[in-house]
Amino acid sequence: QKEVEQNSGPLSVPEGAIASLNCTYSDRGSQSFFWYRQYSGKSPELIMSIYSNGDKEDGRFTAQLNKASQYVSLLIRDSQPSDSATYLCAVKAWSGGSNYKLTFGKGTLLTVNP
Amino acid sequence: DGGITQSPKYLFRKEGQNVTLSCEQNLNHDAMYWYRQDPGQGLRLIYYSQIVNDFQKGDIAEGYSVSREKKESFPLTVTSAQKNPTAFYLCASSISGQVLDTQYFGPGTRLTVL
Repeated sequence: QKEVEQNSGPLSVPEGAIASLNCTYSDRGSQSFFWYRQYSGKSPELIMSIYSNGDKEDGRFTAQLNKASQYVSLLIRDSQPSDSATYLCAVKAWSGGSNYKLTFGKGTLLTVNP
Repeated sequence: DGGITQSPKYLFRKEGQNVTLSCEQNLNHDAMYWYRQDPGQGLRLIYYSQIVNDFQKGDIAEGYSVSREKKESFPLTVTSAQKNPTAFYLCASSISGQVLDTQYFGPGTRLTVL
């Protein structure tokens, strides 16, 4: 069973601080990694995707991937109250034939306090 | 205005009834997916389709059925055989089902069994 693990939180940070969200995965053959943000009662929306080791920055968001250690993280700089949401880590790996499956973690609830 | 639409937003089902959830996309995506989300849980894959007239079971297909007669549409039927259908149902699509593709989500349908 391929697993994606996240700390469920809640993770609470003050406004303006850096929020650090972590995710580990069990399938060493995983090839694509995604972070989604989900507001309460809403559907997930994509924040970042990352495919190779290292850092990828997009505005206030930085995704970090370390395939050797099987972890992926998301840093949110200058956190805002509007960043308060559940962050889902998703990992894609080959599942047989021409199929690739996206496996989701349970999410980390982030609260940014004004 | 491109995107994924799901209807209805809220759905109530009586015991023993079959209900069908609609998912339509105008993104010209080949692949479509159905997920189920329970409170505090990650997304679990029900069914997916990478091409018209073909679909595969996901991790929790029992009690569900789908069809893919048109590229734009991937309806999900929740049958009376599904013993615990109350959940948030999310439809997603991607360009194809390949490893680098990103899945984008519709707004979701919240199903409640009365």
